[in-house]
Amino acid sequence: QVTLKESGPGILQPSQTLSLTCSFSGFSLSTSGICVSWIRQPSGKGLEWLATICWEDSKGYNPSLKNRLTISKDTSNNQAFLKITSVDTADTAIYYCARSPGSYGFDYWGQGVMVTVSS
Amino acid sequence: DIQMTQSPASLSASLGETVTIECRASEDIYNGLAWYQQKPGKSPQLLIYNANSLHTGVPSRFSGSGSGTQYSLKINSLQSEDVASYFCQQYYDYPFTFGSGTKLEIK
Repeated sequence: QVTLKESGPGILQPSQTLSLTCSFSGFSLSTSGICVSWIRQPSGKGLEWLATICWEDSKGYNPSLKNRLTISKDTSNNQAFLKITSVDTADTAIYYCARSPGSYGFDYWGQGVMVTVSS
Repeated sequence: DIQMTQSPASLSASLGETVTIECRASEDIYNGLAWYQQKPGKSPQLLIYNANSLHTGVPSRFSGSGSGTQYSLKINSLQSEDVASYFCQQYYDYPFTFGSGTKLEIK
């Protein structure tokens, strides 16, 4: 059974660094073809893809966030991570992690974690 | 970046009706397209991948079609549990991009 669960700080202040963790089970990020992505959704709005990391450590980033994103993984502990530097109120959103088994779309999603940026 | 233009933004239909949602890509995405359903307060759920393949466990009243830059999601025999927002997404190339969504309601 595949599950993913996001965790994060809940609230942080502008200019701080947001650190998110995706803990998963039922699959391994060392299996050929498997990738984990981060997607976010501001309240009442659409979905925005942020970053992807794959089994062989290739990465993709959304250039609209310039150089603020860093994605990484800990294969041994079944976790993926996302850091966003210099946050501001526009980064307030629900953040999801999701799995993709190759060229397939995101077949399993976490429940999401709400992150609020406020002074 | 590949832009995904989704229409309509909202849709109201009667139970049992057939509805269609469209997505147009700004360039050929070679069937690298998925459709998701998102109910209020829930995570998105994959319905269709590779433009026309039904994800495991998804009811057969959902179907996807299209090629090149034009894709569509069809829901036959609309049920009350289909009330949700629907999003298309291209995964042909980075950065992955989503359509703006369609909110489906029952008349």
